[in-house]
Amino acid sequence: KQEVTQIPAALSVPEGENLVLNCSFTDSAIYNLQWFRQDPGKGLTSLLLIQSSQREQTSGRLNASLDKSSGRSTLYIAASQPGDSATYLCAVTNNAGNMLTFGGGTRLMVKP
Amino acid sequence: DAGITQSPRHKVTETGTPVTLRCHQTENHRYMYWYRQDPGHGLRLIHYSYGVKDTDKGEVSDGYSVSRSKTEDFLLTLESATSSQTSVYFCASNREVGGNNEQFFGPGTRLTVL
Repeated sequence: KQEVTQIPAALSVPEGENLVLNCSFTDSAIYNLQWFRQDPGKGLTSLLLIQSSQREQTSGRLNASLDKSSGRSTLYIAASQPGDSATYLCAVTNNAGNMLTFGGGTRLMVKP
Repeated sequence: DAGITQSPRHKVTETGTPVTLRCHQTENHRYMYWYRQDPGHGLRLIHYSYGVKDTDKGEVSDGYSVSRSKTEDFLLTLESATSSQTSVYFCASNREVGGNNEQFFGPGTRLTVL
């Protein structure tokens, strides 16, 4: 059974810092990996999707990497802003491409 | 986003009553999903559908049933609600384009069972 772990569970940083969120998974037979953002009381917003054959994806200040063989992904946020404060979730898609397994999330607070 | 809506957005009900949550998507996606999100447990899959009338169980399906009579609608029913089913429920659908299977989520339904 696939298990996804996110470390740390919570993170507080001053505005302007670059930061890295970590995600690890136990079964490397994945279709892809998604990073989501969730604001309090809201749904999930898809940030980045990395196919199993890719090493990284970038969107603005966000960069996600994937090392499938070691079962790890990182989300790098450059020049963090208070508006980045949210919970970040990673999820891996099974090999069939139709089922997600989620990590527990990292709750990020960026202080002005 | 996939244009996913959920109704109702909030509901308070009593133990033992039936409850139906509705998910509607406008993107003609084949796959649709129901999750629940609870503190300490994260997001867990309840049921999913891979087409009209085609559904299957997820990780936490006991006490729930689903139906999909049209591509755009996926219903989640709690036949007899229990307090343990108090949770936030999210619907999602899967966009399959060029080998990129990407899930998009609705805004959630907060259900309280008293």
